[in-house]
Amino acid sequence: VQLVQSGAQVKKPGESLRISCKGSGYSFGNFWINWVRQMPGKGLEWMGRIDPSDSYTNYSPSFQGHVTISVDKSISTVYLQWSSLKASDTAMYYCARTVVRGSESLDVWGQGTTVTVSS
Amino acid sequence: DIQMTQSPSSLSASIGDRVTITCRASQSISNYLNWYQQKPGKAPKLLIYAASSLQSGVPSRFSGSGSGTDFTLTISSLQPEDVATYFCQQVNSAPRTFGQGTKVEVK
Repeated sequence: VQLVQSGAQVKKPGESLRISCKGSGYSFGNFWINWVRQMPGKGLEWMGRIDPSDSYTNYSPSFQGHVTISVDKSISTVYLQWSSLKASDTAMYYCARTVVRGSESLDVWGQGTTVTVSS
Repeated sequence: DIQMTQSPSSLSASIGDRVTITCRASQSISNYLNWYQQKPGKAPKLLIYAASSLQSGVPSRFSGSGSGTDFTLTISSLQPEDVATYFCQQVNSAPRTFGQGTKVEVK
């Protein structure tokens, strides 16, 4: 069971970007996928999640409207997308799988994708 | 949003010491609380779910307790490989929120 994320990105403010998270080794449609941000030297922030079975999404209010989470179930891949990057989007982004055993938890994590936004 | 407050923010302990980290929620979250370990340069790893259930493969020196608003992560005997930052996360309500982290170092 693993989540493999796309590689590091360097972008300019105002540019668009899509990063990916590919699941393997499990039934992809049965587990929500979350995105978590970690700014340099800081803690973890939950951004939102998607149900790959029907593309239903939940977003944190802090990120709603600034990012879009989508899925291509045919290739077991979830995406995190920005239409106009800001310097403050510079961070490490992790995807993680939700497992429900009475309660939710994030049991499998991707390796992280570094996004650097700089002019 | 539910605010999660961890204490201390950092600690230094000797090998073999018992280490305790606390996490307080701004409102009751029952037992909907997870703990994660993040080693430098690595992705977080699930240690404890539902406040007290040990994730498969995690050493038994890690344990969790608590319910309602106050929770504890305990390392019964600190090992060198436990140097990391530990985060709590509430999953009682949206948005899911994390504590700010507790950095554990070895003296």
